[in-house]
Amino acid sequence: DTEVTQTPKHLVMGMTNKKSLKCEQHMGHRAMYWYKQKAKKPPELMFVYSYEKLSINESVPSRFSPECPNSSLLNLHLHALQPEDSALYLCASSQDPNADTQYFGPGTRLTVL
Amino acid sequence: AQKITQTQPGMFVQEKEAVTLDCTYDTSDQSYGLFWYKQPSSGEMIFLIYQGSYDEQNATEGRYSLNFQKARKSANLVISASQLGDSAMYFCAMRPYNNNDMRFGAGTRLTVKP
Repeated sequence: DTEVTQTPKHLVMGMTNKKSLKCEQHMGHRAMYWYKQKAKKPPELMFVYSYEKLSINESVPSRFSPECPNSSLLNLHLHALQPEDSALYLCASSQDPNADTQYFGPGTRLTVL
Repeated sequence: AQKITQTQPGMFVQEKEAVTLDCTYDTSDQSYGLFWYKQPSSGEMIFLIYQGSYDEQNATEGRYSLNFQKARKSANLVISASQLGDSAMYFCAMRPYNNNDMRFGAGTRLTVKP
């Protein structure tokens, strides 16, 4: 089973809203990732959690705030976003933080009005 | 820093024929992994195949095979017996060992014609 789930599938929010994206995996993976993908572009890494600790933060604006409550869950808290933040947000996990295959969820399509 | 290059923005293939999607990479790391993902219009990134830099045999997974030429730094994906459901965006990616920073190429959009 290589399933990563993400909720919601679609999200529309205003620039003053606060919302959260959720990601869950039950494969016992110890690394989880957030990627941002703009239309017709490859995914770009935002955050990496390794053994529930933030290990990579790719200079992402503070209006994006990640949280890893436990080894199975990953959240991305959104606040005061801009229209250019509209994108597909993908969550992924891997068994091992180093060099192992990453398995992706279906993504959340975010639109910021 | 590593760089992944996919030179084919779009490819067409007739159903049941084979197709090769190109990928070259540039890295100073000696140990790394190479990956191919498929992304249908629904958005999900589907893992297809993996090749380690020290693997001597080319990886195969069903209809997918990876033509790995280490000296040329290329990792082309070969899809045999194309099906209509293969129409999607295909991304090549690379990740150094002991580093969870995976980088993707720009992608190739494959269209399978009936």
